[in-house]
Amino acid sequence: EPEVTQTPSHQVTQMGQEVILRCVPISNHLYFYWYRQILGQKVEFLVSFYNNEISEKSEIFDDQFSVERPDGSNFTLKIRSTKLEDSAMYFCASSAGALQETQYFGPGTRLLVL
Amino acid sequence: DQQVKQNSPSLSVQEGRISILNCDYTNSMFDYFLWYKKYPAEGPTFLISISSIKDKNEDGRFTVFLNKSAKHLSLHIVPSQPGDSAVYFCAASRNNNDMRFGAGTRLTVKP
Repeated sequence: EPEVTQTPSHQVTQMGQEVILRCVPISNHLYFYWYRQILGQKVEFLVSFYNNEISEKSEIFDDQFSVERPDGSNFTLKIRSTKLEDSAMYFCASSAGALQETQYFGPGTRLLVL
Repeated sequence: DQQVKQNSPSLSVQEGRISILNCDYTNSMFDYFLWYKKYPAEGPTFLISISSIKDKNEDGRFTVFLNKSAKHLSLHIVPSQPGDSAVYFCAASRNNNDMRFGAGTRLTVKP
């Protein structure tokens, strides 16, 4: 059964550095999402992406964040200048269609900003 | 391989009746299980959880049952209310880490 994959599983970075989190959604899915969960807190929606455009984003998704689908298979989340408070688990998800709200989640990338 | 599976993409029940949402997992190392409720463009909201040392946990109208031998858990909502209509995700984790989500089940509660 197909699954969403994410790399790396863990990343440690220095404050102010750029990080790119990578996701490979399920191949025939059209909608892609990023979520994050700060340790001990709720899972927060960051952004949804369709047809090479952001379709929705939360107030968390400010100018330091960007998403890209560079090659038709990867879906990336870039954080330009990481802050301590960016430390969290970042989940990617994909779905076949926006109305079909069942989403397949990846296993997450744990980001630690020092 | 999907380690957490929700085989029913949708479920429709009448208001006042019981809703039963099912979830299966393959990894016997999971020791903590959670149910989340989700609305569009929001993150999943935690609903109820259960540790692998228990087989039942109840919170108001919500009860989660865990059958470790069958690697199966279920969420019971009784009585179901129209406001319960949402997508429900089950999730499993190991050592409070490595959380895996199911694909979700859309519950519709009809008045």
